[in-house]
Amino acid sequence: GQQLNQSPQSMFIQEGEDVSMNCTSSSIFNTWLWYKQDPGEGPVLLIALYKAGELTSNGRLTAQFGITRKDSFLNISASIPSDVGIYFCAGRLNRDDKIIFGKGTRLHILP
Amino acid sequence: NAGVTQTPKFQVLKTGQSMTLQCAQDMNHEYMSWYRQDPGMGLRLIHYSVGAGITDQGEVPNGYNVSRSTTEDFPLRLLSAAPSQTSVYFCATGRGAKNSPLHFGNGTRLTVT
Repeated sequence: GQQLNQSPQSMFIQEGEDVSMNCTSSSIFNTWLWYKQDPGEGPVLLIALYKAGELTSNGRLTAQFGITRKDSFLNISASIPSDVGIYFCAGRLNRDDKIIFGKGTRLHILP
Repeated sequence: NAGVTQTPKFQVLKTGQSMTLQCAQDMNHEYMSWYRQDPGMGLRLIHYSVGAGITDQGEVPNGYNVSRSTTEDFPLRLLSAAPSQTSVYFCATGRGAKNSPLHFGNGTRLTVT
């Protein structure tokens, strides 16, 4: 089946550092979504991307829809303790309505 | 405006028992879906629906049934629970537009012994 390869699986960083994570696939997507999940809760939408090449920011977060439509990245600048959690990429396939998810990037912030 | 409501929050079943996980939304979203979340596996799509009366299979549909008789509700049925179905289940909904993002409920944690 279709797969989204999300990397890295986990990250340990110092507070204040910048973070970068990405998702790639062999399939073409018409929408890329980035979510954050805190323990015991459902994922919450951070950024939605709808066009190839689109670069969108939400506060300290920036995400881009890859020009090939097969990849996307998320950057977090100047990380703070509340950024800890699991970040998921998700994509809507070009040919149908399904939205599939990457396996997540777990972000740990060292004091 | 409650958004996406999942019940129950927690459930323990014995192998072979059946149960229904409920999902209700008050946002008039056409698209509804069920995911399961397992450690290291991310979120995997079980079934989805693009509108009342329409359902389709996702990545891991075996062992689960769904129906969509109303816009608001999208129940997920386990007819004969198995330990492999121990997981956290999330319902997610979205507007019918092709590019609309998903909004998630808070999950149902299911344990099958």
